[in-house]
Amino acid sequence: KQEVTQIPAALSVPEGENLVLNCSFTDSAIYNLQWFRQDPGKGLTSLLLIQSSQREQTSGRLNASLDKSSGRSTLYIAASQPGDSATYLCAVRSRDGGSQGNLIFGKGTKLSVKP
Amino acid sequence: GAGVSQSPSNKVTEKGKDVELRCDPISGHTALYWYRQSLGQGLEFLIYFQGNSAPDKSGLPSDRFSAERTGGSVSTLTIQRTQQEDSAVYLCASSPDSGTGGLSGYTFGSGTRLTVV
Repeated sequence: KQEVTQIPAALSVPEGENLVLNCSFTDSAIYNLQWFRQDPGKGLTSLLLIQSSQREQTSGRLNASLDKSSGRSTLYIAASQPGDSATYLCAVRSRDGGSQGNLIFGKGTKLSVKP
Repeated sequence: GAGVSQSPSNKVTEKGKDVELRCDPISGHTALYWYRQSLGQGLEFLIYFQGNSAPDKSGLPSDRFSAERTGGSVSTLTIQRTQQEDSAVYLCASSPDSGTGGLSGYTFGSGTRLTVV
């Protein structure tokens, strides 16, 4: 059964710092991995999608990497800003999702960027 | 449509009433998921559809919950005899791929905030 873990659960940094959020998954048989952002009381916004054959994807100040063999992904945020404050969720599209279909979420990392 | 649309955006209902939540996926998307998120909690999987079929309904919290999808498009989540613990944000997501396609990511709607008083 696929399980997704995100560390840390919460992170507070001063504005301008570069930071890394971690995601690990137990079954490397995945189609892709997706990073989402969720603002309080809002839905999920897709940030980056990495296919299983890819190593990384970049969008602006965000860079996501994928090491499928070790079951790990990182989301790197450069020059953090207070507007980056949100919960960041990692989800894998597993080839065998069992009863949850094939999209498995981690519990998220709550990021706070202090001015 | 351009995105996943959920309605209503907010719903306040009295305990014991039935409610129906609607999800309009992106046109042509075959996979559709329902999740709920209680205040301060993570995403709780409820049910997914491949086309009109829901292969596994075991994620639904109780028999008061049901969901259907017609025409491979709109899905409705119905909660009967609502309880206060049903209060949460209900999120819907869709993807163009079937369960074994796997190449595309998911797009989420903005959710329905349900409050049972």
